[in-house]
Amino acid sequence: DTGVSQNPRHKITKRGQNVTFRCDPISEHNRLYWYRQTLGQGPEFLTYFQNEAQLEKSRLLSDRFSAERPKGSFSTLEIQRTEQGDSAMYLCASSPEGISAEQYFGPGTRLTVT
Amino acid sequence: AQKITQTQPGMFVQEKEAVTLDCTYDTSDQSYGLFWYKQPSSGEMIFLIYQGSYDEQNATEGRYSLNFQKARKSANLVISASQLGDSAMYFCAMRETPGAAGGSNYKLTFGKGTLLTVNP
Repeated sequence: DTGVSQNPRHKITKRGQNVTFRCDPISEHNRLYWYRQTLGQGPEFLTYFQNEAQLEKSRLLSDRFSAERPKGSFSTLEIQRTEQGDSAMYLCASSPEGISAEQYFGPGTRLTVT
Repeated sequence: AQKITQTQPGMFVQEKEAVTLDCTYDTSDQSYGLFWYKQPSSGEMIFLIYQGSYDEQNATEGRYSLNFQKARKSANLVISASQLGDSAMYFCAMRETPGAAGGSNYKLTFGKGTLLTVNP
């Protein structure tokens, strides 16, 4: 088990461009989360998948953001028409069943919008 | 109101000494969980310790222990025998009961973190 992986690790893009991030969770985990972390803050919840179903989205997730998890395996997070305020670390986490199950985080994708 | 409050933006400790990182929380749920994560400069969040609201004993994991005071709504992290490699950001987080639409969405709410520096 290699843990949660995320690609790319870093992304620099110009304002107005679209970007897509990928997360590969731990294989047997059916729960997948996306969080966003800005400088000096803790991570903030964006969206949650149970298997392939997206069950909850935060108000932070504007219409420019979309996330998918086809076949309940890897997940993608797309940001359309990026804005400078989108610059942040995007973290993916997965967890197994269980109310007390810890969430295993990936290394994150750091997005810089210029 | 903030759900997780970490009042110490930064803490310093001498190597081999113990240090306590504060965390208070706010919830009306009876069932909840409290987590501590470590985030080194590399960025990855590393799970340290978990305490359930119904757990009667304080959680311990190696050099980490959680001082859980339910009535005061505090869940302080104690690191014993600090090491240079403990220098990092530390986040307290809470998991509450999912809302009706969230299914089994045990999302975490994080505090702003405490930057711990261990001095040689």
